[in-house]
Amino acid sequence: DTGVSQDPRHKITKRGQNVTFRCDPISEHNRLYWYRQTLGQGPEFLTYFQNEAQLEKSRLLSDRFSAERPKGSFSTLEIQRTEQGDSAMYLCASSSQTATNEKLFFGSGTQLSVL
Amino acid sequence: AQTVTQSQPEMSVQEAETVTLSCTYDTSESNYYLFWYKQPPSRQMILVIRQEAYKQQNATENRFSVNFQKAAKSFSLKISDSQLGDTAMYFCAFMKPYGGATNKLIFGTGTLLAVQP
Repeated sequence: DTGVSQDPRHKITKRGQNVTFRCDPISEHNRLYWYRQTLGQGPEFLTYFQNEAQLEKSRLLSDRFSAERPKGSFSTLEIQRTEQGDSAMYLCASSSQTATNEKLFFGSGTQLSVL
Repeated sequence: AQTVTQSQPEMSVQEAETVTLSCTYDTSESNYYLFWYKQPPSRQMILVIRQEAYKQQNATENRFSVNFQKAAKSFSLKISDSQLGDTAMYFCAFMKPYGGATNKLIFGTGTLLAVQP
């Protein structure tokens, strides 16, 4: 069990550029979540995958955001035309589909700074 | 909609002492899960303890225990024998049970705990 991996750890970009983050979940986990955390706040849910299917998207996820999870393994989160308000920590989490013992395991996050 | 409230933005405790962090939540669900997560300066979210609402017995994990009051919708975390490594932001979180819906966590705003030597 190598844990949830996120890449890159830090990303600095200029306003208007596109960025893409990657998340590799724990290998046997079929559920994958993306969260966003701004300074001094708790993480906020963005979107959720069960295997390759994206089953829920938060209203926080504007049209500039897109997430994929091809083949139900790793996931990518892309932000197009970044804005300064997108600056945040983007956290990925995974879990296994167990009815009685749901636990989310988080990666170390990608810190995005939009200049 | 479910909400989670942590009314203590910051707390401080002396090493080896006991500290209690407060959390209240609001839900119309009868069955759900509650969690405490720890986020040290490394920003890694680490699961501390988990409680199922249908269980009356309070969860414990070594030095960490909870006081779950379902009727009052209260879920406090007690840390005994505090250690310097416990210094972190602590988040309380709510999850609806599995049943076809997304098992997403809803987090509070966090309590920053500083353990003083």
